[in-house]
Amino acid sequence: QVQLVQSGAEVKKPGASVKVSCKASGYTFTGYHIHWVRQAPGQGLEWMGWINPNSGGTNNVRKFQGRVTMTGDTSISTAYMELSRLRSDDTAVYYCARDKSAATVTTPGYWGQGTLVTVSS
Amino acid sequence: DIVMTQSPDSLAVSLGERATINCKSSQTILYSLNSKNYLAWFQQKPGQPPKLLIYWASMRESGVPDRFTGSGSGTDFTLTISSLQAEDVAVYYCQQYYTTPRAFGQGTKVEIK
Repeated sequence: QVQLVQSGAEVKKPGASVKVSCKASGYTFTGYHIHWVRQAPGQGLEWMGWINPNSGGTNNVRKFQGRVTMTGDTSISTAYMELSRLRSDDTAVYYCARDKSAATVTTPGYWGQGTLVTVSS
Repeated sequence: DIVMTQSPDSLAVSLGERATINCKSSQTILYSLNSKNYLAWFQQKPGQPPKLLIYWASMRESGVPDRFTGSGSGTDFTLTISSLQAEDVAVYYCQQYYTTPRAFGQGTKVEIK
């Protein structure tokens, strides 16, 4: 069965960087895009972007450009999302999610458990 | 960018009654070449990740009870829970995947009256 297991909670100071990992199993890692979505405490869902693990190509929301890096390591079926120059409003649960479709990039079908990133001085 | 707006923000429905959630996109998400609406619905229960319920506006994901129905086309969409059960208490989100950024609606909280 498809599983996405994310790394544990992080506490970071403003200005620092965080790298969240997402280990995939139960399917061919290079066959599906991985989305990254975040959710601030008590707030809604915010789509951050995706990575094509096969090509390494990414598509990120403009507001994160220059601060977010999405990568993948096909040898260990793991995707990563690194966010730099952290601010307090980056405090959120960060989710990775595998796309529903193998044929094209559509919508998240399977989700990881989430990683809480807290930014505090 | 496409903006997704849900209504209402919250609703309380009696057990066994119908719940209706609306989602409006700021521009069409119907792709004319394949006649598909690029819209998904998600359910999120407290402390859990979201769960895909509906894709292509009306296709039920495997394992989703048939009391959940998605409908609509173009810019106006609806998620209907035909007979609300206690386990349906959650926040529901629509999302367009017609283009990037993949915008979500703000969410609709469903509670038991």
